[in-house]
Amino acid sequence: SAVISQKPSRDICQRGTSLTIQCQVDSQVTMMFWYRQQPGQSLTLIATANQGSEATYESGFVIDKFPISRPNLTFSTLTVSNMSPEDSSIYLCSVGKTGVHDKIFGPGTRLTVL
Amino acid sequence: DAKTTQPPSMDCAEGRAANLPCNHSTISGNEYVYWYRQIHSQGPQYIIHGLKNNETNEMASLIITEDRKSSTLILPHATLRDTAVYYCIVRVALGATNKLIFGTGTLLAVQP
Repeated sequence: SAVISQKPSRDICQRGTSLTIQCQVDSQVTMMFWYRQQPGQSLTLIATANQGSEATYESGFVIDKFPISRPNLTFSTLTVSNMSPEDSSIYLCSVGKTGVHDKIFGPGTRLTVL
Repeated sequence: DAKTTQPPSMDCAEGRAANLPCNHSTISGNEYVYWYRQIHSQGPQYIIHGLKNNETNEMASLIITEDRKSSTLILPHATLRDTAVYYCIVRVALGATNKLIFGTGTLLAVQP
């Protein structure tokens, strides 16, 4: 199965700044997904990162706030823009492979916004 | 995707079987039952999935009722490392393009 790494693993940021989170997979994957997990909560899907086209965002999430790039089949980035303390969460990358039922998740990026 | 209902928390003694229930009364004929778990500070981990028949793998067993309106995940000999949040998810077969939507899950606390 695929192995996912995320950078950074954690960060503390100031209000109003932006942070770009990287997701790297050790093999080519069809789809990549970005999730947010607020403290004490379940995972919420932000968007699906499509290779070669714009990401598909879930209700409540917009491209201006969470721009996503997917330049190839093994890499994606999620930017959290103009951050506020409410953006403090764990951000997780997930991938799916054709013919495989389960999804693989990265270790997550723990973001704290002051 | 059909909605699932899980108890918010459960306790289990170490070495005993942990039985985690999930209700999915509106499940459709082509929807599978998937189970994932999330150990503290880690990403979710796939456990098992099934359509109609009971399933078993090296991690757990999945028992699905005949009417498919509920299921039970069984960890046969729970250890302290099984303490985690367990998510029951019902949806059509997961392919590479299908997204996974999480509910609130059950926090299983395995007690020594």
